[in-house]
Amino acid sequence: GQQVMQIPQYQHVQEGEDFTTYCNSSTTLSNIQWYKQRPGGHPVFLIQLVKSGEVKKQKRLTFQFGEAKKNSSLHITATQTTDVGTYFCAGPPDGNQFYFGTGTSLTVIP
Amino acid sequence: DGGITQSPKYLFRKEGQNVTLSCEQNLNHDAMYWYRQDPGQGLRLIYYSQIVNDFQKGDIAEGYSVSREKKESFPLTVTSAQKNPTAFYLCASSIGLGPDHEQFFGPGTRLTVL
Repeated sequence: GQQVMQIPQYQHVQEGEDFTTYCNSSTTLSNIQWYKQRPGGHPVFLIQLVKSGEVKKQKRLTFQFGEAKKNSSLHITATQTTDVGTYFCAGPPDGNQFYFGTGTSLTVIP
Repeated sequence: DGGITQSPKYLFRKEGQNVTLSCEQNLNHDAMYWYRQDPGQGLRLIYYSQIVNDFQKGDIAEGYSVSREKKESFPLTVTSAQKNPTAFYLCASSIGLGPDHEQFFGPGTRLTVL
């Protein structure tokens, strides 16, 4: 099946540093969604990107969708301990079925 | 409060036993999903359902079965045919099946097969 790959798998940052995770698909995506899963919790929807080259911001989080709609990124400025968790991208490369990325686990060191 | 409930939170079973995981939603969503999550891995789709009495296999359906007799409920049975059933199971729902819809997740059930 199609895969949605994310890098890096793990990231440790000092509090206040920036963080970026990248999502790559082998095929064009009609849209992409981002979710956050806190340790021991369940994924929670963050945002959806639909248009080529789209950029959306949520406070310190910036989401981008690539021009070719095959990649996306999530950037966090000045991380805080509340940002800890695993960030997943999810896209539908073939119709109705969503494929979740492998996730990036973020650790923020106080 | 509207949402998705899964029970139990932790479940232990002996090898060779079938076990059914509960998933209930009161969001009036048509679509429901079951995912499996293993440590260090993403979510893998087991089954999904667009409407009552209809469901489709995901990528890893072997060893699992589901039913959708009511809109609110989508139970997952982990059968003895599933070779490695120990995992974290997440149920989700969305308004519709299309890729435009946000998925709402339940708290999950952590299954351990001894």
